[in-house]
Amino acid sequence: GIQVEQSPPDLILQEGANSTLRCNFSDSVNNLQWFHQNPWGQLINLFYIPSGTKQNGRLSATTVATERYSLLYISSSQTTDSGVYFCAVYFYNQGGKLIFGQGTELSVKP
Amino acid sequence: EAGVAQSPRYKIIEKRQSVAFWCNPISGHATLYWYQQILGQGPKLLIQFQNNGVVDDSQLPKDRFSAERLKGVDSTLKIQPAKLEDSAVYLCASSPRGSYNEQFFGPGTRLTVL
Repeated sequence: GIQVEQSPPDLILQEGANSTLRCNFSDSVNNLQWFHQNPWGQLINLFYIPSGTKQNGRLSATTVATERYSLLYISSSQTTDSGVYFCAVYFYNQGGKLIFGQGTELSVKP
Repeated sequence: EAGVAQSPRYKIIEKRQSVAFWCNPISGHATLYWYQQILGQGPKLLIQFQNNGVVDDSQLPKDRFSAERLKGVDSTLKIQPAKLEDSAVYLCASSPRGSYNEQFFGPGTRLTVL
């Protein structure tokens, strides 16, 4: 069935470290979003990226649609990066429905 | 530009009571979504509106949940009667007209059913 799988489920980093979060999806996609859910529950848009690579400050994302995965890179992590990172996908055969993965919970220690 | 607004932010009710949530999307966004997020999971779509018409409500428990967007702008989601398993965060999102556009989320309403 249609699936969006994120790894790892949990990650603990020391401030300043780099990390890579992965999102695998089971079928062809029309588009993909990465979100950061902060400790107050707000979903913050990070990237809207159907293919290719985008960068925004210390964060960057790469989607390889033909191989059905996307990666989110966080460099020089800060304590404010803590929270849950979600990948969400528009599959071609699911209409306009955005389907979320289970998230990666990141904790950055000072 | 103002973001998606939701109210209330928190609500505690007893089971079998009713509750309503309100959402005002980003100005000019034709598409509005309601999601349910249970603790530890990703958000799940409940209903999608395009202007004031329903596009997808296949995952809305229609025996107890209802939603409307009468004038194609703000929207209300209602639960009547609430069950314990309805405890969750209810998120509203909006996007420009059309499919597969970037969605923007409100702060959510955290519902606790006792």
